[in-house]
Amino acid sequence: EVQLVESGGGLVQPGGSLRLSCAASGFTFSSYWMNWVRQAPGKGLVWVSRIDIDGSSTTYADSVKGRFTISRDNAKNTLSLQMNSLRAEDTAVYYCARDGPAAGAMDVWGQGTAVTVSS
Amino acid sequence: SYELTQPPSVSVSPGQTASFTCSGDNLGHKSASWYQQKPGQSPVLVIYQNDNRPSGIPERFSGSSSGNTATLTISGTQAMDEAVYYCQAWDRSTAVFGGGTKLTVL
Repeated sequence: EVQLVESGGGLVQPGGSLRLSCAASGFTFSSYWMNWVRQAPGKGLVWVSRIDIDGSSTTYADSVKGRFTISRDNAKNTLSLQMNSLRAEDTAVYYCARDGPAAGAMDVWGQGTAVTVSS
Repeated sequence: SYELTQPPSVSVSPGQTASFTCSGDNLGHKSASWYQQKPGQSPVLVIYQNDNRPSGIPERFSGSSSGNTATLTISGTQAMDEAVYYCQAWDRSTAVFGGGTKLTVL
């Protein structure tokens, strides 16, 4: 079964750091670009970051550029998001999502992990 | 920055056709995807490349795109289709989601 499982969310103070992980299984992880997408409580989906198959190319939303770092370990089938200098507005459920074989459509999503930034 | 605009809500009766629009500058020249998200669940891809259905998505879901607008259509809407629907496209290596349209099946 194709599956993505996020972990690492929790409560963190403003200015703090958190590292999210996404464990992939059931498919050849190293063959797919991957994304992080977030959703603030009661709000819509917002793309955060994307990484290519070997980690050599990464892109970020302006709102997180310079604070968040996406990475992957193809040997461990794991996607990561290092989040630094966290702000209240980063509070959201964070999903990892696979870039499907068709032009950037995200065809597999994890269940999400919740991040709360609050003092 | 690029924006995709969706109406906040659509209401239909069971068995009727529900249509969702997504507007963006020159969207017809991009590849639009559509996602369904039910309360408390992760999004599910229902249309990709404007008009393609992933395996497992019912045939009542269809998509089209022209000019500045992409459209998702649900024919013969069922109660189980009640959800929020998001459109998405890529612009200069950045993914953009519309604000979402909540479908109510009356």
